[in-house]
Amino acid sequence: DAEITQSPRHKITETGRQVTLACHQTWNHNNMFWYRQDLGHGLRLIHYSYGVQDTNKGEVSDGYSVSRSNTEDLPLTLESAASSQTSVYFCASSAGGQLTDTQYFGPGTRLTVL
Amino acid sequence: GQSLEQPSEVTAVEGAIVQINCTYQTSGFYGLSWYQQHDGGAPTFLSYNALDGLEETGRFSSFLSRSDSYGYLLLQELQMKDSASYFCVGRTGGFKTIFGAGTRLFVKA
Repeated sequence: DAEITQSPRHKITETGRQVTLACHQTWNHNNMFWYRQDLGHGLRLIHYSYGVQDTNKGEVSDGYSVSRSNTEDLPLTLESAASSQTSVYFCASSAGGQLTDTQYFGPGTRLTVL
Repeated sequence: GQSLEQPSEVTAVEGAIVQINCTYQTSGFYGLSWYQQHDGGAPTFLSYNALDGLEETGRFSSFLSRSDSYGYLLLQELQMKDSASYFCVGRTGGFKTIFGAGTRLFVKA
């Protein structure tokens, strides 16, 4: 069965370190997204991609970067981790379409920055 | 700015019907989705309205009125397992999305 996975599931790091969160999907979807979710809030879009070599900034992109070298993967990098980036991070993918918009979410990565 | 407003909490009794409203202010609006999220879990897709009107999927229905910038999710025959957070999500500019803050639904026996 097709799926979307994230690793690691939990990460503790220190302020100033570079951190990379992995996202891998086997849906063969063109669209991939990274969100963060803070306690009691909805999801906020960090970056998104519509295909290989395409990346776009979302509403909270400062301090984050992504690259898309193949269809399956969209790793998220925190260049210099800050305590404000402590959050749960979700990756999602979708096939897209005019009358459909189903995003499939990974299980999430809980990141703590000390 | 772009935003979606929904109630923070709703409480209902098992077997009842509950409606969760969502009003939005977004530019380049394409459609409205609804997602369910249980505590500690990932969001899961419930429905998408690209056009005005009612979409029905089993016990769940979703409605959109573009002229009123308004939509709602209707849950019928509530079950305890429906206790979760529900997010309305606006699709803007291609496949870019904006999430509402979520409505926490408590289902009581």
